[in-house]
Amino acid sequence: EVQLVQSGAEVRKPGESLKISCKTSGYSFPSFWIGWVRQMPGKGLEWMGIIHPGDSDTRYSPSFQGHVTISADNSFSTAYLQWKSLKASDTAIYYCARFPDTSMIDYWGQGTLVTVSS
Amino acid sequence: QSVLTQPPSVSAAPGQKVTISCSGSRSNIGISHVSWYQQLPGTAPRLLIYDNDKRPSGIPDRFSGSKSGTSATLGITGLQTGDEAVYYCGAWDSSLSAGLVFGGGTKVTVL
Repeated sequence: EVQLVQSGAEVRKPGESLKISCKTSGYSFPSFWIGWVRQMPGKGLEWMGIIHPGDSDTRYSPSFQGHVTISADNSFSTAYLQWKSLKASDTAIYYCARFPDTSMIDYWGQGTLVTVSS
Repeated sequence: QSVLTQPPSVSAAPGQKVTISCSGSRSNIGISHVSWYQQLPGTAPRLLIYDNDKRPSGIPDRFSGSKSGTSATLGITGLQTGDEAVYYCGAWDSSLSAGLVFGGGTKVTVL
């Protein structure tokens, strides 16, 4: 059974750093793209970017390029989403997701709520 | 402003049928497969339709998808109260800002 289990909710202040994780199981981690989708409070889905753990090919949405870093660790079958300096506007639920090809998502994590507030 | 355009809401009585449209352009729906996702209240989205009209295992055949040109449609027949959710379409966009783009979401209400 394919599973994506994300780390728990986080509260940070503006300017602080953060790294959230997505632990996968039930499939060959290096063989599939994995990425992140943002959902701001009461809003729709936004694709942030993806990484192919097999060769570390990483693609970002222009809206998020330079503000976040997506990485993957094949040893732990885990993907990460990282910020160096959070803003209040980063408050959202972040979903990790598996991409059998770049154009679709077949499995989703349960979501990680990130709250950024002073 | 979402790249793909969906109606904000649709509604129908139990047992009836609803359709949800998803309009795009030549750089996304025109050249890419379309997928559909269902997000029940307070939960993560789940895949409903992929490759325009295919259902993953476990998705009932009450859900169907189609694509024509730069538009796609999700159909739900035999509407049930458990179908109340927000539905999103998605497609790869091959413009300069390439990436997976979503519609703004359509709230389905069962009257």
